[in-house]
Amino acid sequence: ELKVEQNPLFLSMQEGKNYTIYCNYSTTSDRLYWYRQDPGKSLESLFVLLSNGAVKQEGRLMASLDTKARLSTLHITAAVHDLSATYFCAVDIVRNRDDKIIFGKGTRLHILP
Amino acid sequence: EAQVTQNPRYLITVTGKKLTVTCSQNMNHEYMSWYRQDPGLGLRQIYYSMNVEVTDKGDVPEGYKVSRKEKRNFPLILESPSPNQTSLYFCASSLSALAGGYTDTQYFGPGTRLTVL
Repeated sequence: ELKVEQNPLFLSMQEGKNYTIYCNYSTTSDRLYWYRQDPGKSLESLFVLLSNGAVKQEGRLMASLDTKARLSTLHITAAVHDLSATYFCAVDIVRNRDDKIIFGKGTRLHILP
Repeated sequence: EAQVTQNPRYLITVTGKKLTVTCSQNMNHEYMSWYRQDPGLGLRQIYYSMNVEVTDKGDVPEGYKVSRKEKRNFPLILESPSPNQTSLYFCASSLSALAGGYTDTQYFGPGTRLTVL
């Protein structure tokens, strides 16, 4: 069974602290995505990770991918309140002529001022 | 402006009354997909389409139908809605991995909140 597991599912942290969200998946994958969702809004793309060892950074967020461990991380540096949102990872599984996308359950991040 | 549009944005209906949620994209994307989002379950893929006239089941296809007669449109059809289909639905589009669109992410529509009484 294809599974994508995120942890933690809920994270409350103070401004200025660092933290990491983990995304484990159960099968080989060609691409991994990170999305952000604000309450009542749609999903916004953050990162696309395409290969083992890929690292991407945007502001205080940095994402990495280890395809051998089937693990991606989203690291938050010196968190600020504006980063409060729900973060999803999603794995793109391409097999023959199929192309399914499996999402994790999301990590709700609450940053306290 | 590049976008994915969905209509309606909100819908309250009754059990058994057929409905269609429309989805349209203006980016000439091959890949289109429908998801439902439920509290604590994240997003689950209902159906996807890799190109015109090509559709495949995602993880939770039961009770739904789709069609892809044109590249830009991918409607979601509920022939006989039931209360367990009450959810927030998102349509998304992207370039296709199989067509070499390796670097593109999905672009999401604004969502349709459906309530089935």
